[in-house]
Amino acid sequence: DTEVTQTPKHLVMGMTNKKSLKCEQHMGHRAMYWYKQKAKKPPELMFVYSYEKLSINESVPSRFSPECPNSSLLNLHLHALQPEDSALYLCASSQDLVHIFYEQYFGPGTRLTVT
Amino acid sequence: AQKVTQAQTEISVVEKEDVTLDCVYETRDTTYYLFWYKQPPSGELVFLIRRNSFDEQNEISGRYSWNFQKSTSSFNFTITASQVVDSAVYFCALSEADNTDKLIFGTGTRLQVFP
Repeated sequence: DTEVTQTPKHLVMGMTNKKSLKCEQHMGHRAMYWYKQKAKKPPELMFVYSYEKLSINESVPSRFSPECPNSSLLNLHLHALQPEDSALYLCASSQDLVHIFYEQYFGPGTRLTVT
Repeated sequence: AQKVTQAQTEISVVEKEDVTLDCVYETRDTTYYLFWYKQPPSGELVFLIRRNSFDEQNEISGRYSWNFQKSTSSFNFTITASQVVDSAVYFCALSEADNTDKLIFGTGTRLQVFP
């Protein structure tokens, strides 16, 4: 099973709302990632978790707050977003960060619209 | 500095034509991996192949084939007898031994296959 699931598929939120994106994998992977993808652009890395600890924060604004409750789950908490944050948010996982040959498996993404 | 270039922004072909997607990379590392991902309109990035820097053997998988040439820093992807279902954005990506946390993506090539 090489599946990464993400919920919700679509999300529309106002700039004052608080919402969360959820990602789950059951492949026993120990590295999990959040990416942001704008239209016609490649994915941009936001956060990396390794063994449930935050490994990389790519200077993401604090209105995005990641959380890794356990090795299978990754959340992205959203608060006071701006319209320019509208994008496809992709979650990915890989075996670990030690071996570079482990490919990342991506979820279907959450398409976020901020109004 | 590491970089992946996909010079072809969009390619249109008619079904059953062969098509090659180009990928040129830059890295100072001697140990690295190259990947191809497919992103159909649904949004999910689908892993297609990985190649390590020490293995220049070409690979074929069904209608897909990959040509890795270190001398020209290229990792090109050919689809033989293209089908409408091949329509997607294709990303080439690089992972380096010195920077295992990150995938460096190219800008992607949008392939449209018309019936």
